[in-house]
Amino acid sequence: NAGVTQTPKFRILKIGQSMTLQCAQDMNHNYMYWYRQDPGMGLKLIYYSVGAGITDKGEVPNGYNVSRSTTEDFPLRLELAAPSQTSVYFCASSPRQGEGYGYTFGSGTRLTVV
Amino acid sequence: QQPVQSPQAVILREGEDAVINCSSSKALYSVHWYRQKHGEAPVFLMILLKGGEQKGHDKISASFNEKKQQSSLYLTASQLSYSGTYFCGTSPGSSSNTGKLIFGQGTTLQVKP
Repeated sequence: NAGVTQTPKFRILKIGQSMTLQCAQDMNHNYMYWYRQDPGMGLKLIYYSVGAGITDKGEVPNGYNVSRSTTEDFPLRLELAAPSQTSVYFCASSPRQGEGYGYTFGSGTRLTVV
Repeated sequence: QQPVQSPQAVILREGEDAVINCSSSKALYSVHWYRQKHGEAPVFLMILLKGGEQKGHDKISASFNEKKQQSSLYLTASQLSYSGTYFCGTSPGSSSNTGKLIFGQGTTLQVKP
């Protein structure tokens, strides 16, 4: 049981380039989330999804896009990368809100924009 | 809207106790607690729901005061393995069907031998 898998683990982008951060979970979780974590800071919600075909913006959505065509996959697209997007990106999933159900996080993607 | 954690950092000796607080300005449906070690992903510790009781396992427990929109994490007889950054995540509102969390800024805990 792999849990939440994120690829790549590390990436360096040049300003203006685009890329897709991949996230896949094999636990049949309906809810999936993308967070970014800047050095020494907490986690900021970028986008989230409550099921296939349903996505919504979080606290810091500008410069990002998502799609959710299947229950398993929730890719995050960065368009026109900027230095302010240098961060560690975490994908997370949960079955639902309720007793005992917390997030399972992926291992993260460390992105540097130069 | 971001919950506020206190203290920002704490240093303990093995065997000492610590309390980490999480306060929100909004009514809460649930509070989650996570621990993150350096360079790793956050790991789920426990969830407290509106109307629920104090939770705990091993020597880590938590409470949720709905009236004050506050939660506290209690670490007793701390061990070296407790070192890391602790985050609370709050889900606002009287109920929530999105499960999305807003995280506090974190509390760094260092346990020394």
